[in-house]
This record gives sequence, C-alpha cells and structure tokens, in this order.
Amino acid sequence: SQTIHQWPATLVQPVGSPLSLECTVEGTSNPNLYWYRQAAGRGLQLLFYSVGIGQISSEVPQNLSASRPQDRQFILSSKKLLLSDSGFYLCAWSVLGGLGDTQYFGPGTRLTVL
Amino acid sequence: KNQVEQSPQSLIILEGKNCTLQCNYTVSPFSNLRWYKQDTGRGPVSLTIMTFSENTKSNGRYTATLDADTKQSSLHITASQLSDSASYICVVSRGDYKLSFGAGTTVTVRA
Repeated sequence: SQTIHQWPATLVQPVGSPLSLECTVEGTSNPNLYWYRQAAGRGLQLLFYSVGIGQISSEVPQNLSASRPQDRQFILSSKKLLLSDSGFYLCAWSVLGGLGDTQYFGPGTRLTVL
Repeated sequence: KNQVEQSPQSLIILEGKNCTLQCNYTVSPFSNLRWYKQDTGRGPVSLTIMTFSENTKSNGRYTATLDADTKQSSLHITASQLSDSASYICVVSRGDYKLSFGAGTTVTVRA
C-alpha cells in the first residue's frame, strides 16, 4: 500500500532563517506531488506541483521554492522565512486515473515563524 | 472564478444527533466532488467521491449528495460520535491537477 511521510511534524523558526520541509512517498512510482499551505479558516492553497523529477510548477509567487531530487521525494524550501510563512503545510500525491486527480495527503507540518 | 463555499463555518451537536453540511460551487468544467475529513493537526482523508452522474454516495454514517444542476452538495452525518469532531472539506475537481477547496466546516460533537 502507498504511504506518504512528512517531516518534521512541527517547526518553530525565527524570521529570516532558512527552511527545508521534506515529503516522501512509498509504494507507488512516478506520482504527481503537491505542496499546499493551509491557513486558519481558509481553504488549502496550492503552492507547487510536480509531474516528474526536476519538474516543478509554481502556483503562487513567493519566497518559497520546491525541488524534486528523486522520484518519490519532494522538498519545500526557503532561504529567508517571513512571518506570513507560518501555517500548516501539506504534501500530497496522486496518480492520474479514471476519476481524475485523486490526491492523498500527508500528515502535515505545522510551521510557526516568530 | 472557480470557487467552493461551505456552510455553516462551524457547528456544535450532541452525541447521537444528526447534522448536514452544505457546499456550493462554481467550478467549471466539473469532473468530481469529494468530501474530506480533517482531524485537528492532521492531513485530510477522503470520505466520498461523486461524479456528475452520481447524486448520492454513502460511507458508513456519512452520506453525501450532489445536485450537479444547481451545483450543490451536502454531507449528512448520522448518529454522530465524538470521533466525528473534525473539519469537513468540500473539494471540487475539473479533472486536472488543480483542485478547488472549500474553507471547511468545523464540527464539534459533545457528550
């Protein structure tokens, strides 16, 4: 069966510090991978998606970046965090099928920027 | 603009009672609609998925309905349990990578 992991689970970082969040998927090959941010009281916001190694599409211009160094690994990074980067970050994977794009979410990372 | 609106924003119900959550959408073209359950501090988990031709789908005590003509969906929880306390998110797909998410309805079940 497929499993998606995210780490760390929680993170507290000072403004201006770098960020690296990691997501890995097990039990599937060549998945589509996604990074979302969830703010309190708002719907999930798609940040990045990737259809293959080294292929990254950005949905929202900001100081975050994403990379996919391996087929089942997706990394979210920042060189300098802002207060507005605080939130709940979710990684998801999907494989295109008969019902469109069914996405499966990881457990999430709670990021607090102070 | 592709939007998904959910109501109410939150609700409190007593254990054993029923409740219904609403979802209205303007997403086009329409491929399918999902309801997700998200426990506090966790990732969303899919409850039901419905395509254009389906107007009801059940998953245990959860029953979702879809009216594709009026672009409305509902999620009915029967005989609520304490473990039903969570946020319920309505998600609409055009059939591509980009999903449209509602802000969610927070359900609190009290003993």
